[in-house]
Amino acid sequence: EIVLTQSPGTLSLSPGERATLSCRASQSVSGRHLAWYQQKPGQAPRLLIYGASSRATGIPDRFSGSGSGTDFTLTISRLEPEDFAVYHCQQYGSPPRTFGQGTKVEIK
Amino acid sequence: EVQLLEAGGDLAQPGGSLRLSCAASGFTFGTYAMSWVRQAPGKGLEWVSITNSGGDRTYYADSVKGRFTISRDNSKNTLYLQMNSLRAEDTALYSCARVQDCGGACPEDYWGRGTPVTVSS
Repeated sequence: EIVLTQSPGTLSLSPGERATLSCRASQSVSGRHLAWYQQKPGQAPRLLIYGASSRATGIPDRFSGSGSGTDFTLTISRLEPEDFAVYHCQQYGSPPRTFGQGTKVEIK
Repeated sequence: EVQLLEAGGDLAQPGGSLRLSCAASGFTFGTYAMSWVRQAPGKGLEWVSITNSGGDRTYYADSVKGRFTISRDNSKNTLYLQMNSLRAEDTALYSCARVQDCGGACPEDYWGRGTPVTVSS
């Protein structure tokens, strides 16, 4: 199975700053089938990005995804107060689907 | 509005069984693949299983293969997860999720809030 490693584990930033989250795969992710989710405490995950770079319906354009092969990035251009949460990457191109361990974006 | 409502979570003994259900509404259930995903307390997400729209193709995480069975009843708009030979490490919040219809391989796009499963003696 493909192992996804997210870094950093925690990112401490202030509102308005840029956040860059990394997701590295143990082997190439086929077809750029990489998604990013946002999860807040007590809530279900929310799909942000699929296909490595396509924004899901209703997702603000401050969220962007990039990458291919084994290295992927989620960028939040200017952090809003509601963006402080845990972010998960997932590969869905090769069964079994797998998730990274998550990156927590916290207020500095 | 897409809604997914899980039920059936409970306290179970090691080696025991539970059957989870997920009632879907707000979309044409029978045309979407569906997944189960779990999250142990304080841990990340772990994908468990997926079934296609017709229920005739299924995949499982290695950690549950041979013990869990995913199924669906499209006439009842309901997804199931039969969990046998439960272990302490199966303790988690179990959520069902709809797989996006994006053409080809697609991620999960809507999730339920989950039902808690605790395996302990």
